[in-house]
Amino acid sequence: GDSVTQMEGPVTLSEEAFLTINCTYTATGYPSLFWYVQYPGEGLQLLLKATKADDKGSNKGFEATYRKETTSFHLEKGSVQVSDSAVYFCALSVGRGAGGTSYGKLTFGQGTILTVHP
Amino acid sequence: GAVVSQHPSWVICKSGTSVKIECRSLDFQATTMFWYRQFPKQSLMLMATSNEGSKATYEQGVEKDKFLINHASLTLSTLTVTSAHPEDSSFYICSASGNYNEQFFGPGTRLTVL
Repeated sequence: GDSVTQMEGPVTLSEEAFLTINCTYTATGYPSLFWYVQYPGEGLQLLLKATKADDKGSNKGFEATYRKETTSFHLEKGSVQVSDSAVYFCALSVGRGAGGTSYGKLTFGQGTILTVHP
Repeated sequence: GAVVSQHPSWVICKSGTSVKIECRSLDFQATTMFWYRQFPKQSLMLMATSNEGSKATYEQGVEKDKFLINHASLTLSTLTVTSAHPEDSSFYICSASGNYNEQFFGPGTRLTVL
């Protein structure tokens, strides 16, 4: 079946440090890949996505590149801020939504807690 | 982005009672709603998918008679945990998907069964 594996946390960094959160996947089909972020007390929010190989998703300084050859979608940010402290989830979707989009059932990784200190 | 709310945000109940959790899309029509369960320090596990006006589709291993899902309108879905027991204690999260198909998530409901 489909699965997503994230690096175990928690991850603790100082402000302005470089961030990498590893994510690898296995999928029976050709998945779309996502990173979601969950801030304390809030619901999950889509951070970025990529729908085909070599696509790079980016948002708020975060980036992730869809690597089909290594089945990976690692999240990176060059300089983290205290406000980036949250839980980050890698996810994939193989099903297809209406209108040809790639939003079907989501399979999540276990989440990585990020804490950024001033 | 679109807003999804859940009510209540937390609930404590006695073993054997039933608990209803509401999920509402506040500013869009949700043709599909998803219910997830999240254990501490673990991933979100999809429980079921519901489309407005039809029966929910449950994931393997999820008891449909235990977790009753109703999606009676385009803005409301409910999850009822029937005859709850301590092992049902968990964090329940819903998401809603409309015309854009992206899933928008609610803030979750913490259920504690004593």
